[in-house]
Amino acid sequence: EAQVTQNPRYLITVTGKKLTVTCSQNMNHEYMSWYRQDPGLGLRQIYYSMNVEVTDKGDVPEGYKVSRKEKRNFPLILESPSPNQTSLYFCASSRTVADTQYFGPGTRLTVL
Amino acid sequence: GENVEQHPSTLSVQEGDSAVIKCTYSDSASNYFPWYKQELGKRPQLIIDIRSNVGEKKDQRIAVTLNKTAKHFSLHITETQPEDSAVYFCAASIRGSARQLTFGSGTQLTVLP
Repeated sequence: EAQVTQNPRYLITVTGKKLTVTCSQNMNHEYMSWYRQDPGLGLRQIYYSMNVEVTDKGDVPEGYKVSRKEKRNFPLILESPSPNQTSLYFCASSRTVADTQYFGPGTRLTVL
Repeated sequence: GENVEQHPSTLSVQEGDSAVIKCTYSDSASNYFPWYKQELGKRPQLIIDIRSNVGEKKDQRIAVTLNKTAKHFSLHITETQPEDSAVYFCAASIRGSARQLTFGSGTQLTVLP
């Protein structure tokens, strides 16, 4: 089954404690991205990746890191989380940026 | 970068009526305009998209129109049903480039029985 998976689905953590949210897709897609969703602000892109080892900043990259060592995986790293990073995070993949984005189930992150 | 504005933020319609959601974009080079539907507690899913070489596209009860001159595009839902209640997002990007996909802020559509 074609899918995008994210883990964990829910996470409560404390300020400053490094965390990683994993994202994996099995569709051999080249384009992957991370979004955060906040009420009234829609989906804002954090980082995106055109292919392995190629990543670029989206609209709200501050406080986040990503890596794309393998085509299928695109982890999101928060080295020192802060409360303003409390949000719902979605990973997505697609063949290219202008094709159907397949979203993961989302990760609800709370930073205390 | 690209800026996409979406209106209205909330929309209530009676079941059976039509709903229209409008988006404007800033980058005239944008040429791919998808619409996503997000039901409560679920992930966004593509419902329809349009590319700049066409002005209108239909799929059963939903349609999207594009006006490149005015830089706006709209989603039209006819004969609305309760299951159409969701948040709808428009987006814009430039096909064939490394540019990102920029989303609007979303419209909460409620279809009243």
